[in-house]
Amino acid sequence: NAGVTQTPKFRVLKTGQSMTLLCAQDMNHEYMYWYRQDPGMGLRLIHYSVGEGTTAKGEVPDGYNVSRLKKQNFLLGLESAAPSQTSVYFCASLTSGPTRDTQYFGPGTRLTVL
Amino acid sequence: ELKVEQNPLFLSMQEGKNYTIYCNYSTTSDRLYWYRQDPGKSLESLFVLLSNGAVKQEGRLMASLDTKARLSTLHITAAVHDLSATYFCAVGPRGGYSTLTFGKGTMLLVSP
Repeated sequence: NAGVTQTPKFRVLKTGQSMTLLCAQDMNHEYMYWYRQDPGMGLRLIHYSVGEGTTAKGEVPDGYNVSRLKKQNFLLGLESAAPSQTSVYFCASLTSGPTRDTQYFGPGTRLTVL
Repeated sequence: ELKVEQNPLFLSMQEGKNYTIYCNYSTTSDRLYWYRQDPGKSLESLFVLLSNGAVKQEGRLMASLDTKARLSTLHITAAVHDLSATYFCAVGPRGGYSTLTFGKGTMLLVSP
């Protein structure tokens, strides 16, 4: 049971390049989330998904797209990276059942956009 | 719009001392979470508080929730160096899909 995993762990992009961050969970959770963490800002929700094939915008969705084609995977895409997207990205998942209580976080992806 | 404020944002304390971190939030909520983050690491869940008056304790940490005051506290008793980390509170909306709003975090440094 690996929990929540994220790929890659580190990445450096040039402005205008694109990339996809992969989040995978093996806990059969319905809900998945993408956050970004910037110094002094806490975590801010980018997008989330409440089930396979569904996505919704969070607090800071601009410049990002997401897809949830399989229940266990949640992808975050940057179509044209900008220096303002330099951040640490965390994925999280949560069960939707009656024991729903806490989000489980992945290890994070540190992204630098030059 | 839900806003979550933590204070202090930075706390330097000596081992053996007690202190409290405060978390205020702006709108009615029924879920409050405390997380710990070590430098360069992910977030680790500490406490989930789901009702008014809820109190949970783990080791030297105790969290409480007052939904009427929209306030949660994280009390540290007899601090030790291993508690050095950043602590976040996060609030979830009543109902909905557990989208959390995080405070900015409190960086705790415990020195001998």
